[in-house]
Amino acid sequence: DTGVSQDPRHKITKRGQNVTFRCDPISEHNRLYWYRQTLGQGPEFLTYFQNEAQLEKSRLLSDRFSAERPKGSFSTLEIQRTEQGDSAMYLCASSLSGLSTDTQYFGPGTRLTVL
Amino acid sequence: DAKTTQPPSMDCAEGRAANLPCNHSTISGNEYVYWYRQIHSQGPQYIIHGLKNNETNEMASLIITEDRKSSTLILPHATLRDTAVYYCIVRVSRGTSYGKLTFGQGTILTVHP
Repeated sequence: DTGVSQDPRHKITKRGQNVTFRCDPISEHNRLYWYRQTLGQGPEFLTYFQNEAQLEKSRLLSDRFSAERPKGSFSTLEIQRTEQGDSAMYLCASSLSGLSTDTQYFGPGTRLTVL
Repeated sequence: DAKTTQPPSMDCAEGRAANLPCNHSTISGNEYVYWYRQIHSQGPQYIIHGLKNNETNEMASLIITEDRKSSTLILPHATLRDTAVYYCIVRVSRGTSYGKLTFGQGTILTVHP
């Protein structure tokens, strides 16, 4: 499968714990995006990278959230001191820039439940 | 980004065409119309996008009005597997907000046998 992959698919954690999610984009896609989706809502943009540079961050990305893409390939999203309000689906997408429009392709998501 | 308005839900009979409308009356010249869908508990799936002209691919057709203030996504022969939430998104083609997609509530399409 050559699509966007995310790991883990599901994560259950206790409040106050740290969690880290990984996203592997489509090979050669230089842009990578993170979104969050709560129940009954559409996905909300969190941040995006072009290669290893983080170009935009949403105000939703509080100090407890950090995203990295150290070598311009896979990315990690870490949430420190999780809260129950962090329970959501975390989605990753990738695209190839340089085209008139770079279409984003999404992964299956990581569902986080904070107890 | 321009805001979009979609009906909250629609029904369609299997085998018939599903026509999903989207209003984007504040769209500007450098903004594209994108359609994604999301089947329960999966990531959004790209369907189609366009700027001015009508577009067609193996999944759907996109009809954009001449004034670009609205569009219609057409699934020509809906199947039960097309039951999903469909999102119409207007996205700038350049600039600082280029990276993000802004999703609304979408339209829940239910295809009936």
